[in-house]
Amino acid sequence: ETGVTQTPRHLVMGMTNKKSLKCEQHLGHNAMYWYKQSAKKPLELMFVYNFKEQTENNSVPSRFSPECPNSSHLFLHLHTLQPEDSALYLCASSQGGSQETQYFGPGTRLLVL
Amino acid sequence: QQQVKQSPQSLIVQKGGISIINCAYENTAFDYFPWYQQFPGKGPALLIAIRPDVSEKKEGRFTISFNKSAKQFSLHIMDSQPGDSATYFCAAKAHLSGSARQLTFGSGTQLTVLP
Repeated sequence: ETGVTQTPRHLVMGMTNKKSLKCEQHLGHNAMYWYKQSAKKPLELMFVYNFKEQTENNSVPSRFSPECPNSSHLFLHLHTLQPEDSALYLCASSQGGSQETQYFGPGTRLLVL
Repeated sequence: QQQVKQSPQSLIVQKGGISIINCAYENTAFDYFPWYQQFPGKGPALLIAIRPDVSEKKEGRFTISFNKSAKQFSLHIMDSQPGDSATYFCAAKAHLSGSARQLTFGSGTQLTVLP
């Protein structure tokens, strides 16, 4: 496996469910990111981790809870989501926390019913 | 001030034509301007990037033109091919501390190249 992988690729959940998104990077990078991508809107940065430490939290609701156990893995724990949270959630990694070139995974398409 | 405004939202071009996508920004601290290309079912991938010390950068059929005084930059795709059909995002970042050091993305342009 190479690059940045994300699982699951698709997820349907009810508003009372708890689920987790997983991201793994095989590039030896130190920084990892979660983005939200909604149709016809700019990518929204949610969280940044640099060397496992959270360095950015862009006022994301607490129903999204990130976890970064090591530099290669990143999770996004979801609970009591709202229908407006339906979107494509992208994970990315880079060599450093503010490095220009970010490498993106294919995303998890989330639908909240 | 963190916004990057991108236009058009969608673009249809004939094969062999020139595709032009424009972006404008306000934050004069931005000093790195990449373009990302995203195919359906894939994440965005870096296509080409420019810094404000040059006015143009060319890589194959892809060219970025940069106008520092107007705070605008654009992507030109020469000899557009059906395989170029994708969504293109411009972005910008600064080297400073704070939120500006992270990439700020435009809203995307869906390009369709007709055969």
